[in-house]
Amino acid sequence: DIQMTQSPSSLSASVGDRITITCRASQGISNYLAWYQQKPGKVPKLLIYAASTLQSGVPSRFSGSGSGTDFTLTISSLQPEDVATYYCQKYNSASAFGQGTKLEIK
Amino acid sequence: QVELVESGGGVVQPGRSLRLSCAASGFTFSSCGMHWVRQAPGKGLEWVAVISYNGRAQFYADSVKGRFTVSRDNSKNTLYLQMNSLRAEDTAVYYCAREVRNSEWLYDVWGQGTTVTVSS
Repeated sequence: DIQMTQSPSSLSASVGDRITITCRASQGISNYLAWYQQKPGKVPKLLIYAASTLQSGVPSRFSGSGSGTDFTLTISSLQPEDVATYYCQKYNSASAFGQGTKLEIK
Repeated sequence: QVELVESGGGVVQPGRSLRLSCAASGFTFSSCGMHWVRQAPGKGLEWVAVISYNGRAQFYADSVKGRFTVSRDNSKNTLYLQMNSLRAEDTAVYYCAREVRNSEWLYDVWGQGTTVTVSS
């Protein structure tokens, strides 16, 4: 089974900062990589799929990149409403989630 | 309005059974693969089970294989998860999730979740 590993596990940054979360697959997964945002007490929300395609309605400060085994989620200018845990997910043939990255505001 | 609403959660003793339901509305349920994903308290997301749009194919996580059964009734727009021989480690919020058309195992709509607590 393919394992997904995110780093860091937690992150504290200031409003306006550029932040990057990484996700590594134990085997190549082409671009079958999605990012979800889960705000405290809320349901996961699809942010990005196909590694870099923004889901409709997601602010343009979010972006994704990568292919194969290494992927990144970037928030260009952190906003207070971005406080959440972010999960990467390998999809297409079976599903595997990363362990999550908890993002907080300093 | 596209919506998934889970029900059926509760507190149950180890070894007992529980059936979860997920009522779908606002989209063509019978065209969509459907999944169950769970989240233990304070933990991450774990895929549990999938059922194809027509109900003919089901797959399960190793952790629930042989104990859980996913099914659907397309005439009622409802997804089910029959959970038998429950264990403490099955304690979690259970979400149903809609699979994106032509993108298997990718989820664009999630229910609000139903909480299952396995405890004596």
